[in-house]
Amino acid sequence: GQNIDQPTEMTATEGAIVQINCTYQTSGFNGLFWYQQHAGEAPTFLSYNVLDGLEEKGRFSSFLSRSKGYSYLLLKELQMKDSASYLCAVMDSNYQLIWGAGTKLIIKP
Amino acid sequence: GAVVSQHPSRVICKSGTSVKIECRSLDFQATTMFWYRQFPKQSLMLMATSNEGSKATYEQGVEKDKFLINHASLTLSTLTVTSAHPEDSSFYICSAPSGLGDADTQYFGPGTRLTVL
Repeated sequence: GQNIDQPTEMTATEGAIVQINCTYQTSGFNGLFWYQQHAGEAPTFLSYNVLDGLEEKGRFSSFLSRSKGYSYLLLKELQMKDSASYLCAVMDSNYQLIWGAGTKLIIKP
Repeated sequence: GAVVSQHPSRVICKSGTSVKIECRSLDFQATTMFWYRQFPKQSLMLMATSNEGSKATYEQGVEKDKFLINHASLTLSTLTVTSAHPEDSSFYICSAPSGLGDADTQYFGPGTRLTVL
């Protein structure tokens, strides 16, 4: 079957760095998305990786290894506003999104 | 874990026709479901909140007469795109909260790709 795994919850300190991992097993691969979702709001697009490697965008970076079925989202210089859920989603060969359950990130002062 | 399904996964229709998309919570009950649309590599745009047994709540700018929502049971919400036009072509995604007490936990459907010719 198709499966996306990511940690349920992580805690980090303001100003620090945190890495949220995502592993996947899907029928085909047409890209991996990371979204940020604050409570009560719609998910916000963060990144899209379809080729192996690291994509950097400001304080956020996303890495993909297709051979390992693995991605991570790296958040640097953490701010309190980064407290949110982070969703990993993979688009399969039918262009359907397979969603991870999300990682709740708690930032402490 | 909780699963949300959508049907159909993709649909191609002619301009002027209506298309119905179903969103089902497979192993939990959802009094509320959310409908989003997504353009490539963009954030999900919340269209409306579907409430079981009552009228849906639409976001500003979303035409309620064009996007009809019916939440007839605790496991099914439908979105009907009426008189579809090419600009309605998009990826439509639904989600439902798990109902386990954590408002942050949403389960997303796989999406429905609508192409209007």
